[in-house]
Amino acid sequence: GAVVSQHPSRVICKSGTSVKIECRSLDFQATTMFWYRQFPKKSLMLMATSNEGSKATYEQGVEKDKFLINHASLTLSTLTVTSAHPEDSSFYICSASATLDQPQHFGDGTRLSIL
Amino acid sequence: DAKTTQPPSMDCAEGRAANLPCNHSTISGNEYVYWYRQIHSQGPQYIIHGLKNNETNEMASLIITEDRKSSTLILPHATLRDTAVYYCTATAGGTSYGKLTFGQGTILTVHP
Repeated sequence: GAVVSQHPSRVICKSGTSVKIECRSLDFQATTMFWYRQFPKKSLMLMATSNEGSKATYEQGVEKDKFLINHASLTLSTLTVTSAHPEDSSFYICSASATLDQPQHFGDGTRLSIL
Repeated sequence: DAKTTQPPSMDCAEGRAANLPCNHSTISGNEYVYWYRQIHSQGPQYIIHGLKNNETNEMASLIITEDRKSSTLILPHATLRDTAVYYCTATAGGTSYGKLTFGQGTILTVHP
């Protein structure tokens, strides 16, 4: 149980393109989803907390206009990297939990490469 | 939010128990200790969590000291597939409830 699917697994695109990443909870309803990014050989860094039906809460230093998050249903959250540039290249990972006092379950990540 | 400290790396022989320590001396009363592991290029996998009592599931055991300032994750019979980065983290309290802060983790290498 507790499967989180993330799509796509890998994206390579040109600078200036906007890229959308989907995160789905397949067998449970997720009131809260989290978005992380991870640079090579580094730990996960929380970018934002996404609550169904409300605006996302961004961590300090994360540009909300750059990283658009939508959590329109209890099983889907999306992260859109707008006008991506090479410095946005990273491993983006989502997680979901049914309630905040239950474990977060992670997707397999999206490797984004901006040329 | 509780800060966690782990050794950067550990080795373990296949078939032996792997004991991974974590220090979380600033943990507060309502913060759970969570353990995840991450195999290269994949998302983290949930292992186990606990508040005060020791916990066991099909993957591992979690031993939390009585003062809750440290814990140990035990993989009873390590296999080569257990080679991964192991993260000990604590859920935040208050307005940050449910958020996880990942430290650098412990790179566990299981060798034949």
